[in-house]
Amino acid sequence: DAGVIQSPRHEVTEMGQEVTLRCKPISGHDYLFWYRQTMMRGLELLIYFNNNVPIDDSGMPEDRFSAKMPNASFSTLKIQPSEPRDSAVYFCASSSPGRGSYEQYFGPGTRLTVT
Amino acid sequence: KNEVEQSPQNLTAQEGEFITINCSYSVGISALHWLQQHPGGGIVSLFMLSSGKKKHGRLIATINIQEKHSSLHITASHPRDSAVYICAVGRGSQGNLIFGKGTKLSVKP
Repeated sequence: DAGVIQSPRHEVTEMGQEVTLRCKPISGHDYLFWYRQTMMRGLELLIYFNNNVPIDDSGMPEDRFSAKMPNASFSTLKIQPSEPRDSAVYFCASSSPGRGSYEQYFGPGTRLTVT
Repeated sequence: KNEVEQSPQNLTAQEGEFITINCSYSVGISALHWLQQHPGGGIVSLFMLSSGKKKHGRLIATINIQEKHSSLHITASHPRDSAVYICAVGRGSQGNLIFGKGTKLSVKP
């Protein structure tokens, strides 16, 4: 398996623009997590899905953030409009607790810079 | 107070030294994870444990559920072990994680 795939790897955009981050989880994994990492706050959970359904979005900072999982192999995290304080590395991870392990597999991350 | 506390924040060691990184948590957990983040940014899961001790190569992770404390040990440290080590606790059956701030380890040759 190729592991968790994220795109783009780097994104530079101007304040006010819409940003869409993409994630393909490991095939067969039924949980998908979006995390954000900043120097100040470290890693934080934004939202997670189980079987494509959002379970907990309490970590989503504002209404400017939205996430979807239209099918088992694809998820998006959208920021509209973007702001400089959204600059961070966004990680997607997937897991399959139903197979007996809570281990999460992380993608390479998307480094977002909003100018 | 953070729910997951790690110590030390930064650690510099000489090659060959025995290293210990500590993690304390204040919430009920389903499992505790140790993650490694390399300078390039990628995150790799090292261990997931809910009791006792696990060993993988030169890495050993222990957890004391009663004391809500875990340690990550590295024996015979090597410069390639230089990375940020992150403790995270899993909550509930789904395993969503709460993270410590990480320990930055630098091993000098």
